[in-house]
Amino acid sequence: AQSVTQPDIHITVSEGASLELRCNYSYGATPYLFWYVQSPGQGLQLLLKYFSGDTLVQGIKGFEAEFKRSQSSFNLRKPSVHWSDAAEYFCAVGRSNTGNQFYFGTGTSLTVIP
Amino acid sequence: KAGVTQTPRYLIKTRGQQVTLSCSPISGHRSVSWYQQTPGQGLQFLFEYFSETQRNKGNFPGRFSGRQFSNSRSEMNVSTLELGDSALYLCASSSGGTGEKLFFGSGTQLSVL
Repeated sequence: AQSVTQPDIHITVSEGASLELRCNYSYGATPYLFWYVQSPGQGLQLLLKYFSGDTLVQGIKGFEAEFKRSQSSFNLRKPSVHWSDAAEYFCAVGRSNTGNQFYFGTGTSLTVIP
Repeated sequence: KAGVTQTPRYLIKTRGQQVTLSCSPISGHRSVSWYQQTPGQGLQFLFEYFSETQRNKGNFPGRFSGRQFSNSRSEMNVSTLELGDSALYLCASSSGGTGEKLFFGSGTQLSVL
């Protein structure tokens, strides 16, 4: 069965510092991989998506993620965090033959210190 | 273009009752998915509808059901509510292919007393 692990429940960074959020997945073939962000009281917004091609994916709001097949990882990065980036971040995985059924990690809560 | 609209925003029910939640997808989107979000379990897939047919189903009991209408609007129903059904129910739409970007609504917060 597919699974997604986000080992960091909560991360605190200073504004302007770099950020890396970790995501590991369990799946036999190359999955669809996503990062979503959720602000309090809101739904989720897609940051970026990977399925094939260049393993470094650029997303919105200055985020990027790197797919590493050997490590089954899809870590999210941002070189300089802004206070408005404080939110909950979710990694998700899907299969090529299951439509839009996705498995989400438990999320990483990001706090940004001014 | 209007986003995904979910109604109502908040609901309070008592155990044993049933509830119907509504979702209007983005215009032109043919796929609607439902997720349950709780602090303990995170986001869990309920089901996906595409062109009025259930395309995928998660591991939830039969008390959870859904349907999709010809205009792609979707409803989900939970019968015989239990305390553990208290959650944020999120609806997401996409154009209908596989592995697509999901556009989420703000959710319906259901509280079961």
